[in-house]
Amino acid sequence: EADIYQTPRYLVIGTGKKITLECSQTMGHDKMYWYQQDPGMELHLIHYSYGVNSTEKGDLSSESTVSRIRTEHFPLTLESARPSHTSQYLCASVSGGTGSTEQYFGPGTRLTVT
Amino acid sequence: KNQVEQSPQSLIILEGKNCTLQCNYTVSPFSNLRWYKQDTGRGPVSLTIMTFSENTKSNGRYTATLDADTKQSSLHITASQLSDSASYICVVSDRGSTLGRLYFGRGTQLTVWP
Repeated sequence: EADIYQTPRYLVIGTGKKITLECSQTMGHDKMYWYQQDPGMELHLIHYSYGVNSTEKGDLSSESTVSRIRTEHFPLTLESARPSHTSQYLCASVSGGTGSTEQYFGPGTRLTVT
Repeated sequence: KNQVEQSPQSLIILEGKNCTLQCNYTVSPFSNLRWYKQDTGRGPVSLTIMTFSENTKSNGRYTATLDADTKQSSLHITASQLSDSASYICVVSDRGSTLGRLYFGRGTQLTVWP
């Protein structure tokens, strides 16, 4: 069982609200990722980080922002939620190095914007 | 264009039966191929990781094969159980960057009936 956590697990929020999805891991992993997944669709990378104070945008355009102030913590923030943000958000982490390193996923946050 | 295609999209089998899921990819240069199991509302959990030189890898009742020449992989599930009901995702990593870019398939939704 991977030590990577996401809160909240489920969130229903009104349009225009600011929200922060939390992700934390206790494995000391340098690399962390945020993915967005719609039902029956593939995961899309929206943000990633190689370490503290390092953040990059992924492939899928996203109106969210991330921060990496501590190794174990990688929160994702939506300044003004919209119905189009309704989706499942998955956080993942990988230990340092390349090749066949294991990527561990959190349980996900199911976000619904009304 | 780097892609990962999975078939079938969905599959229903009876408990105790075997099944095989397929994954075709065009990702290049190839680094490794992973199979994940994703239960509904949860994050993906790794089943196997295979590099270029590995043809087969087993994890309990799960056996993955890889043909790097034809760029095909399969996941065989033996003696299926009700708990095998989940989405099975094929993920291919390239060697083009330190990130080890991951390309996700849309998954095969497996349902095991009693």
